[in-house]
Amino acid sequence: EAGVTQFPSHSVIEKGQTVTLRCDPISGHDNLYWYRRVMGKEIKFLLHFVKESKQDESGMPNNRFLAERTGGTYSTLKVQPAELEDSGVYFCASSPRQDRELFFGEGSRLTVL
Amino acid sequence: DAKTTQPPSMDCAEGRAANLPCNHSTISGNEYVYWYRQIHSQGPQYIIHGLKNNETNEMASLIITEDRKSSTLILPHATLRDTAVYYCIVTDKLIFGTGTRLQVFP
Repeated sequence: EAGVTQFPSHSVIEKGQTVTLRCDPISGHDNLYWYRRVMGKEIKFLLHFVKESKQDESGMPNNRFLAERTGGTYSTLKVQPAELEDSGVYFCASSPRQDRELFFGEGSRLTVL
Repeated sequence: DAKTTQPPSMDCAEGRAANLPCNHSTISGNEYVYWYRQIHSQGPQYIIHGLKNNETNEMASLIITEDRKSSTLILPHATLRDTAVYYCIVTDKLIFGTGTRLQVFP
């Protein structure tokens, strides 16, 4: 069974550009989460989808970040326009139920120059 | 959201048991205790979770005190590959703290 996959593994862009990160959860997992780790800081929750609906987006830093999960399958996280402080590793995780363990992907490293 | 307190770092000899403590004195009645670990910069890996009773799986054991205000993760026979940062979490949003950096040495 395939795990959570994320693409790209590493993206380098310039300040002001746009980047879209993709997450493919484990098949059948309705719950999908985005987290990020900025250099030297803790892993922070961004948002939680249940199927295609945003259950909790309290961790989204600002309106430059847009997450979608059309059809309740894969999810995208777009950063537009990117700023220097957006650099970090963005993790996606999925779970079959909200009170079950999360399975994380390997992360997408974003570097904004 | 309940918060956790963990020692910043611990050492353990290879082959010995690693006991990682966690305090979560503000945990509410329906919150689970989860343990995850992160090896290098890989994605966090689920280890174990529990509510009230002690739990054991192929990776570790979880001991939760009767008042649920603290718990201990036990890796019964630590190996070098268990070197990682271990996170104790008690909310369903998985609020990661700073964790405990476990160094297993030969």
